[in-house]
Amino acid sequence: DAGVTQSPTHLIKTRGQQVTLRCSPKSGHDTVSWYQQALGQGPQFIFQYYEEEERQRGNFPDRFSGHQFPNYSSELNVNALLLGDSALYLCASSPRTGPQHFGDGTRLSIL
Amino acid sequence: GESVGLHLPTLSVQEGDNSIINCAYSNSASDYFIWYKQESGKGPQFIIDIRSNMDKRQGQRVTVLLNKTVKHLSLQIAATQPGDSAVYFCAESKRTGNQFYFGTGTSLTVIP
Repeated sequence: DAGVTQSPTHLIKTRGQQVTLRCSPKSGHDTVSWYQQALGQGPQFIFQYYEEEERQRGNFPDRFSGHQFPNYSSELNVNALLLGDSALYLCASSPRTGPQHFGDGTRLSIL
Repeated sequence: GESVGLHLPTLSVQEGDNSIINCAYSNSASDYFIWYKQESGKGPQFIIDIRSNMDKRQGQRVTVLLNKTVKHLSLQIAATQPGDSAVYFCAESKRTGNQFYFGTGTSLTVIP
């Protein structure tokens, strides 16, 4: 039974570019949450998707957007990249009520 | 916003000893807590959870204690092994389906 999978594992972009990160949830999970983890910090909540809609959002600008597909997989899009967007982006999936399980993340570096 | 903090940023223990990692949370409305373990280059791994209607929960070699009066959470690891070396995070949520707030983590080093 595959856990949460994320792609790509690493990505290098330059300022001003746009990026799309992908996440496949654990089998049986229908809720996907995205987190940003800066070096040496705990993960910070970006947003959560359930039934293909954004249900909750953290304190992130609207340059951060997402999507959930009918198969529960999800994408995170970031526009107009800034140097400060360099971080590990984590996807977590869960049943509607239950513990969140994380993937290994996408390491995004902005040059 | 919520604030979840850890008392000790680093902890070193001898192999075979017990480890205790502490966590303070600020939101008295939080009712669901999870401990995660994060190894270098990997995502957080679920260890154990506890709901606010419980004071203690045990897993394999791990015990989580919740003191709602002082808003304190702890993770006890019995017979600590080198493979337990990692950063440990506590995370809080207002309910199980909600977003989680994480602290900055405690780095546990097990000395062989």
